[in-house]
Amino acid sequence: IAGITQAPTSQILAAGRRMTLRCTQDMRHNAMYWYRQDLGLGLRLIHYSNTAGTTGKGEVPDGYSVSRANTDDFPLTLASAVPSQTSVYFCASRETSADTQYFGPGTRLTVL
Amino acid sequence: SQKIEQNSEALNIQEGKTATLTCNYTNYSPAYLQWYRQDPGRGPVFLLLIRENEKEKRKERLKVTFDTTLKQSLFHITASQPADSATYLCALRGGATNKLIFGTGTLLAVQP
Repeated sequence: IAGITQAPTSQILAAGRRMTLRCTQDMRHNAMYWYRQDLGLGLRLIHYSNTAGTTGKGEVPDGYSVSRANTDDFPLTLASAVPSQTSVYFCASRETSADTQYFGPGTRLTVL
Repeated sequence: SQKIEQNSEALNIQEGKTATLTCNYTNYSPAYLQWYRQDPGRGPVFLLLIRENEKEKRKERLKVTFDTTLKQSLFHITASQPADSATYLCALRGGATNKLIFGTGTLLAVQP
């Protein structure tokens, strides 16, 4: 693994189903982020984690939850998916001492 | 309200010309501003960071300016190439946190 990986690459999901998007990084970055990207709205922060064991809410957290059990993994869960959660989801990480973020390849999620 | 604005219209230029992209913001006093490149179907990739006490930053064919009075950053690509075609996002640090606020991006198309 090099950098950040996300899984799945894409998913079609029925409304009401539970879904977990996976994110793993091998750079030992303390901070990790989940964004959604929608046409015309840009990247919006869903949840973040400054270090393992801590999480925080971003701009659009409703309907999503995260956990940070260790440094490498930062899964995003949709407890009961709704069509408005159709989007492209990006995970990112940041080294504590730096300001730039490194992004994963994204997960394209369609909720029907 | 706080806003970051990038030209939503695509910028079409001829190969070899200089491309100039604009990022304007209101109601922020960012410590720094970043520019990212995003190719279709991929995550953003960091390009440059400029701090509030810096007027200009260069990296190879890229140049960024930051005018905190005008609340504006300009991103220049000199001697543009078709391979420079992508969406370019500006992002700034929102408040006292390390969370980034992204603009919606500007699509640059360099014609051969």
